[in-house]
Amino acid sequence: DIQMTQSPSSLSVSVGDRVTISCRASQDIRNDLGWYQQKPGKAPKRLISAASSLQTGVPTRFSGSGSGTEFILTISSLQPEDSATYYCLQHNTYPPTFGQGTKVEIK
Amino acid sequence: QVQLVQSGAEVKKPGASVKVSCKALGYIFTSHNMHWVRQAPGQGPEWMGIINPSGGSTSYTQKLQGRVIMTRDTSTSTVFMELSSLTSEDTAVYYCARREAERGDFDYWGQGSLVIVSS
Repeated sequence: DIQMTQSPSSLSVSVGDRVTISCRASQDIRNDLGWYQQKPGKAPKRLISAASSLQTGVPTRFSGSGSGTEFILTISSLQPEDSATYYCLQHNTYPPTFGQGTKVEIK
Repeated sequence: QVQLVQSGAEVKKPGASVKVSCKALGYIFTSHNMHWVRQAPGQGPEWMGIINPSGGSTSYTQKLQGRVIMTRDTSTSTVFMELSSLTSEDTAVYYCARREAERGDFDYWGQGSLVIVSS
């Protein structure tokens, strides 16, 4: 199975800060990667697909980059409603695998 | 609009089976494969398997082979996930998630179904 190593596991940041979350795949997955936001008690919500394609309705402060094995999710200016856990998901090779998650908290 | 509506919470004894349903609304049921994903308390999501609603073919994670069965009913646009021989380690929220035809990842998710396994 492809391992997805996500970092950091958690971070505490202030409103307005720039946030970067990294996801590394154990082998080349091209751009077959999505980023998901999950709030407590809710299902994951897709933010970005194909590594960098922003979903309709998702604020433009979210962006994704990377291909191959290294991927980044950036929140350019953190807002209070962005407090959540973020997961990457590779779907290049079955089984699909998720990163361990990054919990973003507001200071 | 696309919606995936799942069945309610269940409490089961160890050794029992559970069957969770996921009703698809707002799109052509047979045009998108459906994943099942589970999430144990405090853990990340774990992929369980996928079903093709058109022909009914399935693929399961090796970890659950022999214990999980995914089926569908095209007349009601509903997919089902049945998990047998439950243990406490199967306590989790179970989600159905639609496979996007173009990108291949998971675009719409159900609200989740909590399954608690406890004696």
